[in-house]
Amino acid sequence: GAVVSQHPSWVICKSGTSVKIECRSLDFQATTMFWYRQFPKQSLMLMATSNEGSKATYEQGVEKDKFLINHASLTLSTLTVTSAHPEDSSFYICSARDRAEKLFFGSGTQLSVL
Amino acid sequence: QKEVEQDPGPLSVPEGAIVSLNCTYSNSAFQYFMWYRQYSRKGPELLMYTYSSGNKEDGRFTAQVDKSSKYISLFIRDSQPSDSATYLCAMSPMDSSYKLIFGSGTRLLVRP
Repeated sequence: GAVVSQHPSWVICKSGTSVKIECRSLDFQATTMFWYRQFPKQSLMLMATSNEGSKATYEQGVEKDKFLINHASLTLSTLTVTSAHPEDSSFYICSARDRAEKLFFGSGTQLSVL
Repeated sequence: QKEVEQDPGPLSVPEGAIVSLNCTYSNSAFQYFMWYRQYSRKGPELLMYTYSSGNKEDGRFTAQVDKSSKYISLFIRDSQPSDSATYLCAMSPMDSSYKLIFGSGTRLLVRP
């Protein structure tokens, strides 16, 4: 099946710093990628939809200035958590949709903000 | 009321048991249903997807959709310890994987 690579798998940062997470579709072109956040024992919550070459569409309640999304190519989308605070600590997961409209997930990034 | 309800478990069964995992939903427009398996600190892995009502079988897994009751199920036959994971149901109002609504997940433990 299709592979979506997400890096880093975990990151620890100080409060106030910015963190970038990368999501790559390795063997297919993904015109659309999605970013989710998952708190412990809770489900995935969609944060934003990222379309190649255009601005991301954010879900209600998600601050677009805090969670910067860039989808510069058909195989790469990045999520930057700016000025991270402890409440941003969470498990962030990306997914990519292939041309058959199947959805494949990355392995996730555990962010811990001290 | 959440759009998708799923019992969080944990569900503990002996190896070889038949496992039944369920979700209920409130949006009658949902027509695309999926089951994902998620191991701890990993991304979800697609197990099954079905369109509208009916059954779909793949190896030890059977997905069942009952639109009249707004109820979906995943059955796992001959469960193995390696099946221990969290199982997430997901659904979409469109015939696509776009913008899925996820259940909260059921944690399954298969005891050797």
